[in-house]
Amino acid sequence: DADVTQTPRNRITKTGKRIMLECSQTKGHDRMYWYRQDPGLGLRLIYYSFDVKDINKGEISDGYSVSRQAQAKFSLSLESAIPNQTALYFCATSDYQGNQPQHFGDGTRLSIL
Amino acid sequence: AQSVTQPDIHITVSEGASLELRCNYSYGATPYLFWYVQSPGQGLQLLLKYFSGDTLVQGIKGFEAEFKRSQSSFNLRKPSVHWSDAAEYFCAVGALKAGGTSYGKLTFGQGTILTVHP
Repeated sequence: DADVTQTPRNRITKTGKRIMLECSQTKGHDRMYWYRQDPGLGLRLIYYSFDVKDINKGEISDGYSVSRQAQAKFSLSLESAIPNQTALYFCATSDYQGNQPQHFGDGTRLSIL
Repeated sequence: AQSVTQPDIHITVSEGASLELRCNYSYGATPYLFWYVQSPGQGLQLLLKYFSGDTLVQGIKGFEAEFKRSQSSFNLRKPSVHWSDAAEYFCAVGALKAGGTSYGKLTFGQGTILTVHP
């Protein structure tokens, strides 16, 4: 979805480095999410935010932190990257209404050596 | 906790053949369900959703899905597959609160990779 932009699209880095993945959206949605995708595991929720002051842990938040700088921006940080955090990371947004779908960015492929 | 199972990791069909991708969910509350498709190098695109009402829902690209509460299933179907349908497909479930607002989180299945032979 072109309205959800993730940067960078690809990143290779070394163990122990601090990394920030950024997500911005022009959809005007209140809710934003960070997922990681691993082969055979589907998408797993890392963190989610229902508005700027409401941030919640997902099922796999250890080793990650987030910042909701504005309604349109939601960043994911790896404070000290490790190889098993190598994955495809997706940002998504959704409206606050009950049954609305999530809209995904094109993903960031992160490799940690 | 809610969960989603896609029993088939990989399915291969011939172009023009019919397709059914299975999805089983587990959740005690009222579910709402989605199917997404992911082409290589791209994000997830919504195919269709079920919230309430008619249990047979139509989506984009000629796909449909049927919600069967008694079987806790939401299988995706297409009568005639095209080569461009080759991709990975994800089923996802969310839950609604009593007043109709959502808890906001979705749980995804493991995905089914579809290969289409000419």
